[in-house]
Amino acid sequence: DAGVTQSPTHLIKTRGQQVTLRCSPKSGHDTVSWYQQALGQGPQFIFQYYEEEERQRGNFPDRFSGHQFPNYSSELNVNALLLGDSALYLCASSLPGVHGYTFGSGTRLTVV
Amino acid sequence: AQSVTQLDSQVPVFEEAPVELRCNYSSSVSVYLFWYVQYPNQGLQLLLKYLSGSTLVESINGFEAEFNKSQTSFHLRKPSVHISDTAEYFCAVSTQGGSEKLVFGKGTKLTVNP
Repeated sequence: DAGVTQSPTHLIKTRGQQVTLRCSPKSGHDTVSWYQQALGQGPQFIFQYYEEEERQRGNFPDRFSGHQFPNYSSELNVNALLLGDSALYLCASSLPGVHGYTFGSGTRLTVV
Repeated sequence: AQSVTQLDSQVPVFEEAPVELRCNYSSSVSVYLFWYVQYPNQGLQLLLKYLSGSTLVESINGFEAEFNKSQTSFHLRKPSVHISDTAEYFCAVSTQGGSEKLVFGKGTKLTVNP
């Protein structure tokens, strides 16, 4: 049973560019959440998607946007990249009402 | 709003020694509590969680944590650690009746030395 799959694993972007990160949830999970983990910090909640709608959003600017597809997979888009966006981006999936996510291994984004 | 404080950023111990990783939280509403472990270059794995019932919860690999409501704590313990327990450990909370959004602490790096 595949867990949460994220792609790519690493990427390097230039300041001002745009990036799209992808996530396939664990089989049977229909809720996807995205977290940003800066170096030496705990993960911070970006947003959560359920039934293709953004259900809740953390304290991140509008440059961060997302999408969920009918097969429950999800994308995270970041526009106008800043150096401070460099981080590990984690996708997590769950079932509604079941507390405790399954996390992917993350995408390491470096902005230069 | 909720917050989580992990009191130690780094904890070095020798193999087979006991360890305690401390976690305190702040919340105006009832919460669920979690410990996650992160091995190098990997995502987070759920270690254990407290939702309700017995305040002492255990994991399959020998860790345990006790929910103390009066002290707003959820410390993680293991009586005898192994080299393979070397990792970063994160305490997290979510609100009961909420959207399962997790608020994490900054993490504790556990290093087990031979």
